[in-house]
Formats: sequence, structure tokens, C-alpha cells
Amino acid sequence: QKEVEQNSGPLSVPEGAIASLNCTYSDRVSQSFFWYRQYSGKSPELIMSIYSNGDKEDGRFTAQLNKASQYVSLLIRDSQPSDSATYLCAVMGEGFKTIFGAGTRLFVKA
Amino acid sequence: DAGITQSPRHKVTETGTPVTLRCHQTENHRYMYWYRQDPGHGLRLIHYSYGVKDTDKGEVSDGYSVSRSKTEDFLLTLESATSSQTSVYFCAISESKASGANVLTFGAGSRLTVL
Repeated sequence: QKEVEQNSGPLSVPEGAIASLNCTYSDRVSQSFFWYRQYSGKSPELIMSIYSNGDKEDGRFTAQLNKASQYVSLLIRDSQPSDSATYLCAVMGEGFKTIFGAGTRLFVKA
Repeated sequence: DAGITQSPRHKVTETGTPVTLRCHQTENHRYMYWYRQDPGHGLRLIHYSYGVKDTDKGEVSDGYSVSRSKTEDFLLTLESATSSQTSVYFCAISESKASGANVLTFGAGSRLTVL
């Protein structure tokens, strides 16, 4: 069974701090990695994708990928109360099947 | 906007009854997916389709069947609903982005309660 593991949290950070979210995956042949954000009662929405080792930055978000360690992370700088949501790590493997982790709940305290 | 519509958005049914959820897309995407979301489990893939009449199983396919007779419609059927199938069901399509990635875009979800 191919798995994607995340700490369920909740992760609580003060406003303006850096939030660090982590994810590990079991399928070594996975090539595409994603972070989705989901507000309560809403659909998941893509915030970051990453395909090669290293860092990828987009505004306040940085995704980090280490394929050797099978590890993906998401850093949110200058966290805002509006960032409070569940963050889902996802891995796309063969056949365009995307497998999700259980999600990490993030609370940003004003 | 990927133009994904799920119906019904809410449904309450009784154990043993058949239920069909519909996902409709307007942009001719090849790949379509059905996920269920339950507390503590995140999103779990039920079935997916890679073309008309082409479908495959996901992680939790037992008790579910799917059909895709037209590009725009992907149907999820519970032949005999059970209480364990109470969940929120999300349909998704896979879009190719300029970066070459295939990312998922989700419908609004269908909340199913089986009594």
C-alpha cells in the first residue's frame, strides 16, 4: 500500500511566524508532489507543486523536496490568521493516481 | 475555472438503497477522479477514469462502481449503501499546467449520509 504520512496536528503558530509542515511518502517512483489547502467545509485547492529536489518558492510559501529521504515540506512565512486551514500533502504516481496524506491542521493565532 | 459540477450536493438515504453521485465537467478533461473524505483519513481515492469507458480502482473501491459513457460525466454508484459510506465525496479533474504538471481541481463536494 503506497502511503503518504503527515502529522495531523493541530499545529499552532503566532501571527507572523513561520509554519513548517512535513510529509513523507513510501513510493520511490513518485515524480510529482503537491500541497493543497482546505478550509473547513470547502474543497481542497492547490497552493504548491514541486517535481525536483530542492526548494521552490511562491510568495510566502516554500516547498522543499528530498527524494532520497522521501520527504516533502511546506514552509509558510509571515503566517496570517487567513492561513488557518488543513494542509494536504499529495503524491502523484503511476497512471496519474494522486494519493493524499491525512492532512495537518494549522492554526495561526492573531 | 475547471467547470466541475457535482450533484446532488447533499443526500440522506437509508441502508441498502442504491445511490448515484454525478460529476459533470465542461472542459473536456481526460482524467476524472472520485475521492471520499472522512475525519482522520484525508482524501482517499475510490475510482478514477482516464477516458470514456476507461476506469480503474483506487485505494477504497469496495462497494463502489463507476461509469463514464461521455467525456463530461463520471458517475459514482453505491449499489447498496451502508453506514460506513457516510462521507463527503469529491470529484476532481486533472489539468495539465504550463509547467507540465498535472494538478487536481476539485468539485464542491457531495455530502452523503446513510442512516
